[in-house]
Amino acid sequence: GQQVMQIPQYQHVQEGEDFTTYCNSSTTLSNIQWYKQRPGGHPVFLIQLVKSGEVKKQKRLTFQFGEAKKNSSLHITATQTTDVGTYFCAVLVFNKFYFGSGTKLNVKP
Amino acid sequence: DGGITQSPKYLFRKEGQNVTLSCEQNLNHDAMYWYRQDPGQGLRLIYYSQIVNDFQKGDIAEGYSVSREKKESFPLTVTSAQKNPTAFYLCASKSGRFNTDTQYFGPGTRLTVL
Repeated sequence: GQQVMQIPQYQHVQEGEDFTTYCNSSTTLSNIQWYKQRPGGHPVFLIQLVKSGEVKKQKRLTFQFGEAKKNSSLHITATQTTDVGTYFCAVLVFNKFYFGSGTKLNVKP
Repeated sequence: DGGITQSPKYLFRKEGQNVTLSCEQNLNHDAMYWYRQDPGQGLRLIYYSQIVNDFQKGDIAEGYSVSREKKESFPLTVTSAQKNPTAFYLCASKSGRFNTDTQYFGPGTRLTVL
């Protein structure tokens, strides 16, 4: 099955610092999606990337899809305590979603 | 995600008992999914269904069963054959059949087997 590797597993930052999580695949991806799961909650869709080299922004969040469509990143500028949670990337292949293992972000106020 | 309901939120069962988790959606989505999440882990696919009366095994289907008799409903039964059933179970749905569709999750059921 499709393998999507996500790093780092954990990230602890001081409020105001930046944060980045990465997803990598050995095969070319047709799309990649990003989800956020707050502690005790369920995953919530953030964004989808489909084009090579695509960059999308949502306020302090910047999402990138690599030129070769084998990797993607989520960058948060100036983290806030509301950013706490686990961030997952996911790939949809023939109606099945393959999730990365997630990066758990902790923000210290 | 407000259109997907899962009940109950917390569920406790004795070892050896079968238990059925409910998942209902009013989004008119064709595809529905069941995932298992263990503490500090990612999501693992148990079963999925693309259409009524049809479903496929995911990566960890052993010890689980599902049915899809109605478009709105996709219940999951955790059987006594599941070796370690204590986990957080998430149901999700997706519209359409394209690789650009997004997935919406229900609030989840936390199952504890005593």
